[in-house]
Amino acid sequence: GESVGLHLPTLSVQEGDNSIINCAYSNSASDYFIWYKQESGKGPQFIIDIRSNMDKRQGQRVTVLLNKTVKHLSLQIAATQPGDSAVYFCAEESGGSYIPTFGRGTSLIVHP
Amino acid sequence: ETGVTQTPRHLVMGMTNKKSLKCEQHLGHNAMYWYKQSAKKPLELMFVYNFKEQTENNSVPSRFSPECPNSSHLFLHLHTLQPEDSALYLCASSQEEQGATVYGYTFGSGTRLTVV
Repeated sequence: GESVGLHLPTLSVQEGDNSIINCAYSNSASDYFIWYKQESGKGPQFIIDIRSNMDKRQGQRVTVLLNKTVKHLSLQIAATQPGDSAVYFCAEESGGSYIPTFGRGTSLIVHP
Repeated sequence: ETGVTQTPRHLVMGMTNKKSLKCEQHLGHNAMYWYKQSAKKPLELMFVYNFKEQTENNSVPSRFSPECPNSSHLFLHLHTLQPEDSALYLCASSQEEQGATVYGYTFGSGTRLTVV
């Protein structure tokens, strides 16, 4: 079946550094991608999304990049803060189905 | 608060017990979901309700029984569970339009279930 996966299970960074979390997907029909953040004891929280007609989208301190050629998605967090420590999931949806496929998640640890 | 409220936050139950998980969304969304989250595994979709109609049952054992009385409330009835059913059970809601999600899912904080 199709799968969404993450390259690194754990990413450790220093406060103030930029963080990059990567995600590979295999379903070429996927046209909507979402990044979620899950803090300890909470459910996943929507961070940013991107549709397949775009290759870059920016939010507050976060940027999502989509490379459809190599089926790769990344989340960039600028000036990472301790409050950014969490597990980050990517999810994909393919056209006509609103049921996303979730990756396993990457744990981001920010050291003060 | 995300707008999706789950109760209880924690539940310990024996294998012969019957309990129910409750989810309520205050966002006016038209779709609701139950997910299971186990350690080191991706989120597992269990059930989907769209406009109160169940549209997906992802091969979930019959010891899990969903109920959606209206578009704002979702229940997961549990009976004769097994220890391997211990996990975080997440409820989510979304607005679906023309077969696509608008702005992703909104999740509740989950119910941490332990089966003893």
